[in-house]
Amino acid sequence: EPEVTQTPSHQVTQMGQEVILRCVPISNHLYFYWYRQILGQKVEFLVSFYNNEISEKSEIFDDQFSVERPDGSNFTLKIRSTKLEDSAMYFCASKAASGRADTQYFGPGTRLTVL
Amino acid sequence: EDQVTQSPEALRLQEGESSSLNCSYTVSGLRGLFWYRQDPGKGPEFLFTLYSAGEEKEKERLKATLTKKESFLHITAPKPEDSATYLCAVQTKNAGGTSYGKLTFGQGTILTVHP
Repeated sequence: EPEVTQTPSHQVTQMGQEVILRCVPISNHLYFYWYRQILGQKVEFLVSFYNNEISEKSEIFDDQFSVERPDGSNFTLKIRSTKLEDSAMYFCASKAASGRADTQYFGPGTRLTVL
Repeated sequence: EDQVTQSPEALRLQEGESSSLNCSYTVSGLRGLFWYRQDPGKGPEFLFTLYSAGEEKEKERLKATLTKKESFLHITAPKPEDSATYLCAVQTKNAGGTSYGKLTFGQGTILTVHP
């Protein structure tokens, strides 16, 4: 069964460093998302991406964040200068199409720890 | 602003003891309501999508229902392997009347089933 994959599973970085989180969405999906979950809190929407551009973003997704689909399979989230409060689980998700609310399938997540 | 509230925060059941989880929502145009299961340290795993009031979906010991204000996840004769956090999420239209799939999550219900 197709699934969303994410690498790395755990990333430890120093405050101020840049990190890139990688995702491989399900192959025939067209919509891609990043969410994050701070320990003990809700899953929060960060950004949606369709047709090679950002379609919607949250207030959390400021200038420190960027997304890219560098090739036909990968979808990345870059944090330019990490802060302590960026420590969280980051989930990538993808869905096939729009129209009716189609199901988003989530990856296993990347745990980001900022020291 | 869209709001999703789940109750109870935690639920402890004996194996075989049926119960229900609640998800109340206040949104401005529901496109779909989703139930996910999340195991510790893992990504959300899709369970159900409900689109309109009166709709019901079933899968093994789980049954999801939807009204205009809330959704219930009924668990019949649960087993220890049903222990997990159950997440409710809604997809709504944005201010422009479109939707790119942004999900708004509740805080989840932590279910523990004892043998």
